[in-house]
Amino acid sequence: SAVISQKPSRDICQRGTSLTIQCQVDSQVTMMFWYRQQPGQSLTLIATANQGSEATYESGFVIDKFPISRPNLTFSTLTVSNMSPEDSSIYLCSVTGTEAFYNEQFFGPGTRLTVL
Amino acid sequence: RKEVEQDPGPFNVPEGATVAFNCTYSNSASQSFFWYRQDCRKEPKLLMSVYSSGNEDGRFTAQLNRASQYISLLIRDSKLSDSATYLCVVNSYNQGGKLIFGQGTELSVKP
Repeated sequence: SAVISQKPSRDICQRGTSLTIQCQVDSQVTMMFWYRQQPGQSLTLIATANQGSEATYESGFVIDKFPISRPNLTFSTLTVSNMSPEDSSIYLCSVTGTEAFYNEQFFGPGTRLTVL
Repeated sequence: RKEVEQDPGPFNVPEGATVAFNCTYSNSASQSFFWYRQDCRKEPKLLMSVYSSGNEDGRFTAQLNRASQYISLLIRDSKLSDSATYLCVVNSYNQGGKLIFGQGTELSVKP
């Protein structure tokens, strides 16, 4: 499977600021996704990062709050904008090797965000 | 009703025990099924995909019952290192193929 890295691994941020999380893969992948895992909860898909076009967001998530970029097949960023304490979560990127969603997904190590 | 429901935890078992996790899913159009393992403060890691005929990987056996919309994971001869949260994950084509995660079942294997 691909090796996935995320930066930063953790951060503590002030309310009202924004944080950009980077996801880098060591090989070209077709699909990249961003998930959120709130404390004590399971994973929720935020959006699918589409290479060269706007991301596809899940219900409850909007581009103004979570802008996503994917300039190529190995890199994506997620920005958490105008943060509030409710945004404190682990943010994970994942990848799958083929265009079919139903293939297994592999996760990056996550970014642990605390908003004060 | 949640789309993917798992046994509530935690499961506390002694080393060497056999433990079974159950999972049900509500969308009959679901096509792909997985078990992931998540260690504390780590990312989920794929443990195994679940195939219609059932599949085994060492001490781990996964079963799928499409008629009952039920998935199971059996762990034999539990090791201390099996302690983790086990996530049941389902994919459905009619939902754009996104992965739906269960809440997870926590397993603690004691000496």
